Amino acid sequence: ETGVTQSPTHLIKTRGQQVTLRCSSQSGHNTVSWYQQALGQGPQFIFQYYREEENGRGNFPPRFSGLQFPNYSSELNVNALELDDSALYLCASSRAQGASSGNTIYFGEGSWLTVV
Amino acid sequence: DQQVKQNSPSLSVQEGRISILNCDYTNSMFDYFLWYKKYPAEGPTFLISISSIKDKNEDGRFTVFLNKSAKHLSLHIVPSQPGDSAVYFCAPENPGEKLVFGAGTILRVKS
Repeated sequence: ETGVTQSPTHLIKTRGQQVTLRCSSQSGHNTVSWYQQALGQGPQFIFQYYREEENGRGNFPPRFSGLQFPNYSSELNVNALELDDSALYLCASSRAQGASSGNTIYFGEGSWLTVV
Repeated sequence: DQQVKQNSPSLSVQEGRISILNCDYTNSMFDYFLWYKKYPAEGPTFLISISSIKDKNEDGRFTVFLNKSAKHLSLHIVPSQPGDSAVYFCAPENPGEKLVFGAGTILRVKS
């Protein structure tokens, strides 16, 4: 139990639709990152939010966007869904930026998105 | 551009023996390295880490070794237990404070 909760756990969308995934970070954590894990691959960094501001972005198109709220929960939004967006989306939270500062990064169980 | 490679997609080990999982990286800017374990239907869980200023870090049955000149690290599990069966990810942290994951190695410990 990491204290990071994600919803929904599974969902199916049609190509071209939009989806919103939600993440509640562990209490006291002000940093949230989102990762996409395609089948057979490792998680890939999408973006990170620190105190409600985007703080770094991976190699994902602008149709991937996010928000962080004052309570540090977060949303990942994906517009104009494509078949290749089918993946496990993982949310990770930590007390501050960076594991090298002694902060453990905790992951949620993920949201499985299938685009048909 | 694969910055992190885990060249063994899977590894099968007998219970009680040593499991050795390997990871190679290309980015010399990485200065902190983490290993995560993932069971099916769960998110990755932190296992052990090592700073680039060290060459070894040990935590119980788990030891991580870092060879900076070779850009190589390895995770040793001894003795291996059936509950260790999972996917193991090598995940260096880059200066942008994001984790860069390898593709993972599936470890199966046979009893």
